[in-house]
Amino acid sequence: AQSVTQLGSHVSVSEGALVLLRCNYSSSVPPYLFWYVQYPNQGLQLLLKYTSAATLVKGINGFEAEFKKSETSFHLTKPSAHMSDAAEYFCAVSDRSFGNEKLTFGTGTRLTIIP
Amino acid sequence: NAGVTQTPKFRVLKTGQSMTLLCAQDMNHEYMYWYRQDPGMGLRLIHYSVGEGTTAKGEVPDGYNVSRLKKQNFLLGLESAAPSQTSVYFCASSYGLTAPQPQHFGDGTRLSIL
Repeated sequence: AQSVTQLGSHVSVSEGALVLLRCNYSSSVPPYLFWYVQYPNQGLQLLLKYTSAATLVKGINGFEAEFKKSETSFHLTKPSAHMSDAAEYFCAVSDRSFGNEKLTFGTGTRLTIIP
Repeated sequence: NAGVTQTPKFRVLKTGQSMTLLCAQDMNHEYMYWYRQDPGMGLRLIHYSVGEGTTAKGEVPDGYNVSRLKKQNFLLGLESAAPSQTSVYFCASSYGLTAPQPQHFGDGTRLSIL
């Protein structure tokens, strides 16, 4: 069964500093991978997705993620943190089988931005 | 531009009561999902549907039932609510006919069972 592990349930960075949120996946076949963001009292919004077209994926709000098969990782980065980035971030994996688009989510990482 | 709408947004129930959560999407999506979100556990899939008239069990289906009588609506029912079902419930939908399609989420229903 596929799964994702997010290292660090809480991450704090200073405004303007690099944001790095870690995600490792476990899958028997190359999966589809997603990053979602959740702001307080809201649903999840898609940040970016990996579909094998390119290993470096750019998303919204200046975020990007790099798929590394050798490390089974899909870490999320942003060069310079902004106060508005404070939220909870979820990594998710989806089976590549057509008609089986269930997502398996990680447990989330809460990002705090220090002024 | 409504997207996915969940009703109600908040609800408090007593143990043993029943209720139905409604999810409506206006994007003509084939697939719909119900998740629950609990602290430190991420989102867990309860039930899902791959089209009108179909439903299937997810990771944590016990104590819940669902129906998809119309393509745009997906109902989640609790027949006899238990305190363990206190959670935030999210509905999502996706296009479904080609992969990978991102899921679009509603804003959630916060349910407390006393």
